[in-house]
Amino acid sequence: GAVVSQHPSRVICKSGTSVKIECRSLDFQATTMFWYRQFPKQSLMLMATSNEGSKATYEQGVEKDKFLINHASLTLSTLTVTSAHPEDSSFYICSARDYSGADQPQHFGDGTRLSIL
Amino acid sequence: AQSVAQPEDQVNVAEGNPLTVKCTYSVSGNPYLFWYVQYPNRGLQFLLKYITGDNLVKGSYGFEAEFNKSQTSFHLKKPSALVSDSALYFCAVRDGTLGRLYFGRGTQLTVWP
Repeated sequence: GAVVSQHPSRVICKSGTSVKIECRSLDFQATTMFWYRQFPKQSLMLMATSNEGSKATYEQGVEKDKFLINHASLTLSTLTVTSAHPEDSSFYICSARDYSGADQPQHFGDGTRLSIL
Repeated sequence: AQSVAQPEDQVNVAEGNPLTVKCTYSVSGNPYLFWYVQYPNRGLQFLLKYITGDNLVKGSYGFEAEFNKSQTSFHLKKPSALVSDSALYFCAVRDGTLGRLYFGRGTQLTVWP
């Protein structure tokens, strides 16, 4: 089945560091990928929609200069948390949809646990 | 606007008993409905979907869901629960135009032996 690989799975770093998270679709092409943030025991909050070859679409309240998204190829999107601070600590999850077939579901990466000290 | 509601934060059932996790939806247009499961510190795994066709949808791991248009519901069910089914379950509806998912708040299922 369709697989989405997310890397790294866990990051612990100092305040002020920029962190890059990669999301890859392994066996399908994804023109669109989605980035979510999840707080403990809560639902997923969509941060942005990543579009291959164009600018990402950010949800209201999400700072685009803080959360940089690049979708340079049909299989890779990256999220960079710039100058991360403790309040950015969270679980970040990406997803991608296989558009090759009708009505394909979104497939999710395993998430990245970001801890800013 | 699309939305889903999961009225129960927690569902507890005994192993071997049937389980139901509730979901209701509100959409403009035809609903594209999904169930996902999340284990601790993992991403979401796709269980099943309803797009069109039979109201009873069968999915992974013995789960099924019943689409009920009149009640705008899409409850997740399993005839006999396993301890390993304990996890966080999300119902979602997809925006037909943009493809983004709108998630419910999640229901924590605990199956006790």
